Amino acid sequence: EADIYQTPRYLVIGTGKKITLECSQTMGHDKMYWYQQDPGMELHLIHYSYGVNSTEKGDLSSESTVSRIRTEHFPLTLESARPSHTSQYLCASSEGGGGNQPQHFGDGTRLSIL
Amino acid sequence: SQQGEEDPQALSIQEGENATMNCSYKTSINNLQWYRQNSGRGLVHLILIRSNEREKHSGRLRVTLDTSKKSSSLLITASRAADTASYFCATDGAGGFKTIFGAGTRLFVKA
Repeated sequence: EADIYQTPRYLVIGTGKKITLECSQTMGHDKMYWYQQDPGMELHLIHYSYGVNSTEKGDLSSESTVSRIRTEHFPLTLESARPSHTSQYLCASSEGGGGNQPQHFGDGTRLSIL
Repeated sequence: SQQGEEDPQALSIQEGENATMNCSYKTSINNLQWYRQNSGRGLVHLILIRSNEREKHSGRLRVTLDTSKKSSSLLITASRAADTASYFCATDGAGGFKTIFGAGTRLFVKA
């Protein structure tokens, strides 16, 4: 099993709250990713990082932000949660270099905004 | 639109039978990957096949790639109830730095 951890696993919270979803990996991977996935649906890339101090927006417009201050840590923050943010959020990492390398996924955070 | 699209959307078989899932994509690729996702969990990487490869095996998994048809198939032989999961194909995004996932095939293996 890959060593990538997401916390919390489940979060139910009210509208307007600030939320930070944590993601950490112990594999020393340069690349990290955040995906949004509704149940039974495809994954949408919302943020990714090539390495420390690198962050890029993905294909799906998102009101979230990310930071990459340390290699192993890639938190995602929602400044003001809304019901439309209800979804599952998956974090992943992969080795650096060119091309799409196999990604290792955490078990996700299931977020419900009331 | 998605680079990779799986077919069928859902598949139900008996334990011991083979399961075949297909993936079609639109643009040229460097490689194609298959992942499995159990309910409530993250994705697990199964196999990667490069654009210059035609077939690859890993245990009970067999993946084929036809770049002329822009398609791939995943065959699971002698399926087990534990194979029940969603299976996704994934291909290169623009510049090869992003991976684009299809919508997945839901496989149900009945004991």
